[in-house]
Amino acid sequence: DAKTTQPPSMDCAEGRAANLPCNHSTISGNEYVYWYRQIHSQGPQYIIHGLKNNETNEMASLIITEDRKSSTLILPHATLRDTAVYYCIVRTTSNSGYALNFGKGTSLLVTP
Amino acid sequence: EAQVTQNPRYLITVTGKKLTVTCSQNMNHEYMSWYRQDPGLGLRQIYYSMNVEVTDKGDVPEGYKVSRKEKRNFPLILESPSPNQTSLYFCASSRIGNEQFFGPGTRLTVL
Repeated sequence: DAKTTQPPSMDCAEGRAANLPCNHSTISGNEYVYWYRQIHSQGPQYIIHGLKNNETNEMASLIITEDRKSSTLILPHATLRDTAVYYCIVRTTSNSGYALNFGKGTSLLVTP
Repeated sequence: EAQVTQNPRYLITVTGKKLTVTCSQNMNHEYMSWYRQDPGLGLRQIYYSMNVEVTDKGDVPEGYKVSRKEKRNFPLILESPSPNQTSLYFCASSRIGNEQFFGPGTRLTVL
């Protein structure tokens, strides 16, 4: 699976949009971009994933650049409960143990 | 409620005393997996299972065993725990190739 690069930390004011970037310049054509988050040692939580089109669900939006070398996770109205470590993962859905390479992620702090 | 459960949530034990951490899911998922999380090392896969009676090693399987006799359960067994197995453990499940659902974690300390 391709490697990802994320900033180690970001701050966001409560109520504002949080935009979390991820670089995955070596992504291959059959690899999806997944986002998970982990709130203080709880089990990681799936947020969203996409292949090449932008995606939106009740939690977030995922914007993938046309060349697929980078993406941005958008939390439209961040709340204090969104404070967590956010992981960008690229992986195929083929048989390779489906292990998720979480890397170090971005620690997002939402402030009042 | 769809969920992955783990027991116990916290465990302190001594070197060499066999232990089992249970994992159960109620979503009829084929795929189940165990990870350990350590500071600075992220989450690493220990073992996984694609279906009943099908298990395979992940990245760090040494010192661990698993079994998958039923679809819903995937226990993690430490036959002879050692202090380097002190860690935070997560079980996960999914339909094949889909997003994974994680349990709440088991914090294990081996003295």
